[in-house]
Parts: sequence; structure tokens; C-alpha cells
Amino acid sequence: AQSVTQLGSHVSVSEGALVLLRCNYSSSVPPYLFWYVQYPNQGLQLLLKYTSAATLVKGINGFEAEFKKSETSFHLTKPSAHMSDAAEYFCAVTTDTDKLIFGTGTRLQVFP
Amino acid sequence: ETGVTQTPRHLVMGMTNKKSLKCEQHLGHNAMYWYKQSAKKPLELMFVYNFKEQTENNSVPSRFSPECPNSSHLFLHLHTLQPEDSALYLCASSQTGTSGMRELFFGEGSRLTVL
Repeated sequence: AQSVTQLGSHVSVSEGALVLLRCNYSSSVPPYLFWYVQYPNQGLQLLLKYTSAATLVKGINGFEAEFKKSETSFHLTKPSAHMSDAAEYFCAVTTDTDKLIFGTGTRLQVFP
Repeated sequence: ETGVTQTPRHLVMGMTNKKSLKCEQHLGHNAMYWYKQSAKKPLELMFVYNFKEQTENNSVPSRFSPECPNSSHLFLHLHTLQPEDSALYLCASSQTGTSGMRELFFGEGSRLTVL
């Protein structure tokens, strides 16, 4: 069975600091992995996706994530946080029946 | 603009009311989904439709009744709901045919409050 664990339901950083949001997955098949972002009162928007082409994936808004099979991780990073990055971030993995399983989300706060 | 439009954005209803949520996608996708998002819980997949046929019902109570008249429209009919059904209901669509790369496109959600 597939599952996703996001460590830390809340992360706070200062503007300009590194953003690191953690995601670990469990999958019995080669996974496809996604990061979505949700701004207040909006739906989920795709940030980036891993589809086995390259282990380092670049997404929108300066975010990137690295797939590490040995660590079963897909952490999301951004070198320099911006106030507009404040949102909730969801990691997701596809199942062997082609569905997406989402993590519980990490709320990112950015302080000036 | 994601190409998936949900109406209404906000809905308040009593436990004896009947209402419907509507979702329309303009992306040419052939699969549509309803998700429930409650506070402090993971996103819950409720229903999946592929080519207008329901392919998944995740043990959703019968007070939620989905309808998919065509590949572009999806409804969620609500009746005799409970206060614990208050949540954000998200519609999504995707293009099937590429196994394992089912990227979802979400609408902005319908915030439901049951009194």
C-alpha cells in the first residue's frame, strides 16, 4: 500500500531564509510524487511532480524537490522564502491503482 | 484560473435541506473527482468518474449523491446532512490514459457549512 508522511504540520521561516518541507513516502511500486500548494480560500495547485525522468525536479515559484529512493523522501525546498509563499503544502503519491494519496499538509508561515 | 470551476463557493444549509454542488471543467479531461477537505485531516477521496462512469465510491454515506452527466460536468447532491459534513469540497479533473501520471487539476472548492 502507498502512503505519505509530512513531518511538521507547521513550519515558520523568516523572509529570505531557506524553506524545507519534508515528505516521506511508502510505495510498493515505483512512485510518482507530487507537491501541491493551497493558498487561503483556494483549491490545490500543482507545484511540481516527479515522474522518474530526473531526481531533481524544478517547479513553479522557485521551488524544487529531490527524489531520494534510498531515503524514500521527496522534500520540497526553496532557497529564499518570500512572504507570498505562505500557504499550505501537500505532498502526494500515486497508488498502484492510479489514485493520488495526499499527506496531511504543512502550513508554511513566513515572517518579515 | 485552473480550468475547473466550482459553484457555489460558499453554502450554508440546514440538516433537512437539499442542495447541490456543481463542478465544470474546461480542460477536455475524461476523469473527474470529488474530494472532502476537513480541518486537520488528510484530503479524502469521495468519488471518481471516468468517462461519465463511477469507478470509485470510498464508502461515502448515501446522503451524498454524485451525478456525472458528461465528462465536463460533475454534481454532488446533498440531503439530510450532518454538522460533521461541514468541510471544503474540492472537485478535480485529470486525463486518463497515462498510467501513474494522473496529475489533478483542482477547482477552488465549495465551502459547506451544515447547521
